[in-house]
Amino acid sequence: AQSVTQPDIHITVSEGASLELRCNYSYGATPYLFWYVQSPGQGLQLLLKYFSGDTLVQGIKGFEAEFKRSQSSFNLRKPSVHWSDAAEYFCAVGGPSGYSTLTFGKGTMLLVSP
Amino acid sequence: DTAVSQTPKYLVTQMGNDKSIKCEQNLGHDTMYWYKQDSKKFLKIMFSYNNKELIINETVPNRFSPKSPDKAHLNLHINSLELGDSAVYFCASSGEVGNTIYFGEGSWLTVV
Repeated sequence: AQSVTQPDIHITVSEGASLELRCNYSYGATPYLFWYVQSPGQGLQLLLKYFSGDTLVQGIKGFEAEFKRSQSSFNLRKPSVHWSDAAEYFCAVGGPSGYSTLTFGKGTMLLVSP
Repeated sequence: DTAVSQTPKYLVTQMGNDKSIKCEQNLGHDTMYWYKQDSKKFLKIMFSYNNKELIINETVPNRFSPKSPDKAHLNLHINSLELGDSAVYFCASSGEVGNTIYFGEGSWLTVV
């Protein structure tokens, strides 16, 4: 069965500092990996996705993520955090076969301090 | 234009009532989903429909009944609401197999 682990429930980062949110997955084949962001009271917005090819993927809002098969990880990074980045971040894994659904991690809440 | 839209956004209702949440997507996608986000923010698949046919039905009480009148719509009807049904319900859709899943803005259901 596929699963996703986000080991950090919440992280606090100073504005302007760099950010890395961790995500580890379990999946039997080549995974499709996603990062979504949810602002308070809002829906889920796709930040970026990995299907194949270059293991470093760029997303919106200056985010990037790196797929490391050997570590079963897909960590999200941003070089300089802005106060508006404060939100809940979800990593998800899915597959290409059938009508695959996404399995989500439990989320990491990002707090940005002045 | 909103790609995946769901209504209502907020719903407060009493235990025992029956309520529906509607969802529409204008992306031309074949597959639609309902996800539930509980109070701890955990997101879990409930149902998946492909071209109006039920594909995935996770362990969900049969008080929850999805209805897909056409491939652009997937409504969720809930009978005899219970306190534990309070959650955020997200509708979503996807195109080709394995493609990105796009979510609606969520419907906040509170059962009192």
